[in-house]
Amino acid sequence: NAGVTQTPKFRILKIGQSMTLQCTQDMNHNYMYWYRQDPGMGLKLIYYSVGAGITDKGEVPNGYNVSRSTTEDFPLRLELAAPSQTSVYFCASSPRGASTDTQYFGPGTRLTVL
Amino acid sequence: KQEVTQIPAALSVPEGENLVLNCSFTDSAIYNLQWFRQDPGKGLTSLLLIQSSQREQTSGRLNASLDKSSGRSTLYIAASQPGDSATYLCAVFLSGNTPLVFGKGTRLSVIA
Repeated sequence: NAGVTQTPKFRILKIGQSMTLQCTQDMNHNYMYWYRQDPGMGLKLIYYSVGAGITDKGEVPNGYNVSRSTTEDFPLRLELAAPSQTSVYFCASSPRGASTDTQYFGPGTRLTVL
Repeated sequence: KQEVTQIPAALSVPEGENLVLNCSFTDSAIYNLQWFRQDPGKGLTSLLLIQSSQREQTSGRLNASLDKSSGRSTLYIAASQPGDSATYLCAVFLSGNTPLVFGKGTRLSVIA
């Protein structure tokens, strides 16, 4: 199994550009998550999904959008990129919620906004 | 608001030493606590998950304990090896659809 895959690995954006970070999992997990990790900090939840067609905001959703049309895919959209969005972005998945299951993380996307 | 603190921020030990990493949290009404490992440039790997009703969990050379009433957890690593070098993060879960709250991590270096 590939687990959780993320593309691209690295990206540099100019202020005001937009992009989509891709995330795919092949474990048939219902729950999927997007986090950002700023240097020297813990992870912050951006958005999450409990199943296809259902998404909800996390702690830091401003400037981002998500969709979940299939169980496997959970893309994160950045509109009008800003320097404050420079971070490492991690996608994760779990069979059920955090009350019972750990989360499986992808390798991350390192984004720089200049 | 739940806050998670990990001390120390960085730790360097010689190979073979037993060591303890600390995690404290401000709201003791947690549902569970997890310890993760993060290698440079990589994602997180779950090490141990402790439910609030449990006192400890063990996996190989790793032992995690949980004292909910005092808001503390420790990760004990026995007979450390250079391959244990990584950043270790703890995260707590409260309830429902609340997000995991992560600490900033402890960066561990095991010197051969």
